[in-house]
Amino acid sequence: QKEVEQNSGPLSVPEGAIASLNCTYSDRGSQSFFWYRQYSGKSPELIMSIYSNGDKEDGRFTAQLNKASQYVSLLIRDSQPSDSATYLCAVRPGGYNKLIFGAGTRLAVHP
Amino acid sequence: EAGVAQSPRYKIIEKRQSVAFWCNPISGHATLYWYQQILGQGPKLLIQFQNNGVVDDSQLPKDRFSAERLKGVDSTLKIQPAKLEDSAVYLCASSLADSADTQYFGPGTRLTVL
Repeated sequence: QKEVEQNSGPLSVPEGAIASLNCTYSDRGSQSFFWYRQYSGKSPELIMSIYSNGDKEDGRFTAQLNKASQYVSLLIRDSQPSDSATYLCAVRPGGYNKLIFGAGTRLAVHP
Repeated sequence: EAGVAQSPRYKIIEKRQSVAFWCNPISGHATLYWYQQILGQGPKLLIQFQNNGVVDDSQLPKDRFSAERLKGVDSTLKIQPAKLEDSAVYLCASSLADSADTQYFGPGTRLTVL
């Protein structure tokens, strides 16, 4: 059973701080990794994808991938109250054309 | 560009009743996915279509769930009979090609089974 694990949170950070969200996955052959944001009562929306080891930056978001440790993370700089949401980590296992989602980490950014 | 459309948005039924959900993907998207998202959990793939063929239905409870995608465009997901544990949000997503990497989600249907 291929798994994606996330801390459910809530992760509470003050406005302006860096939020760090973490995810581990079980399938060593996985090649594609994604972060989705899901506001309460809404559907998931893709915010970052990463395919290679290292960092990928997009605005205030940085995704980090370490395939040797089977670990992917998302950093949100200068966190805003509007970033308060559940962040879902998704992985495409090797040899499969589908995504496996983690249970998500709830982030709360307080003023 | 119109997004993924789903209906109804909300549905309340009693256990043992049947229910059907409809999804219309983004125009031109060959791949369509149905997910079940139980409160506090991530989306779980139920079935994946490539055009009008089933690619993966390994987690679809086939004794009560069925889905079809006639003509390779819109799709329906049916539950018959429903159980209490089927209470969840049913999400439809679509993607352009045969890669699952960029999926666009519809607004979902929230099902409550009493």
